[in-house]
Amino acid sequence: KNEVEQSPQNLTAQEGEFITINCSYSVGISALHWLQQHPGGGIVSLFMLSSGKKKHGRLIATINIQEKHSSLHITASHPRDSAVYICAVRSGFQDTGNQFYFGTGTSLTVIP
Amino acid sequence: EAQVTQNPRYLITVTGKKLTVTCSQNMNHEYMSWYRQDPGLGLRQIYYSMNVEVTDKGDVPEGYKVSRKEKRNFPLILESPSPNQTSLYFCASSLEQLTGELFFGEGSRLTVL
Repeated sequence: KNEVEQSPQNLTAQEGEFITINCSYSVGISALHWLQQHPGGGIVSLFMLSSGKKKHGRLIATINIQEKHSSLHITASHPRDSAVYICAVRSGFQDTGNQFYFGTGTSLTVIP
Repeated sequence: EAQVTQNPRYLITVTGKKLTVTCSQNMNHEYMSWYRQDPGLGLRQIYYSMNVEVTDKGDVPEGYKVSRKEKRNFPLILESPSPNQTSLYFCASSLEQLTGELFFGEGSRLTVL
């Protein structure tokens, strides 16, 4: 069972390109998270969304609750954006638990 | 500095030798959780805790135990480790029970021979 599906699995881009990573989920959620994992393993949180759109620098995240879909966009990509991007959803309801489900990640390589 | 601290960062052990991976956060977060990350499978939740003395199973709890006696600490216990528990483990916390940004520890790489 895959509660969270991400696409693409791998992505190579030229520096400066606009990048989109997609995430679809099948469970009811209280929030969706986008995470970044660089080689070496550390994980940092980029966004937490429950509706609409958020922007931080060159990164934009959107969510459509009705369609159960989220996108992460990177504008003017840079080699330092090379990392694995992970979509995670939180089924955060008091009566049904507070569990996280993760996509398998999108490995992004940005070439100078 | 706000952080989630895990120890040990690296450990090689043998089958059946009990071990504990500690996790501590200094942000007064209510929610804490443990995950394992395996190639091709991604991150999977092992256990989580909504508050002191409240713990629940995640997707892959078999072979693990946890406890939450204090708000800041959430240790992961492997009573009798087996080779299939060789993995990269992450602890994370968030301020609120149902929402809130996740803060991750640096990870603990465990090898069971």
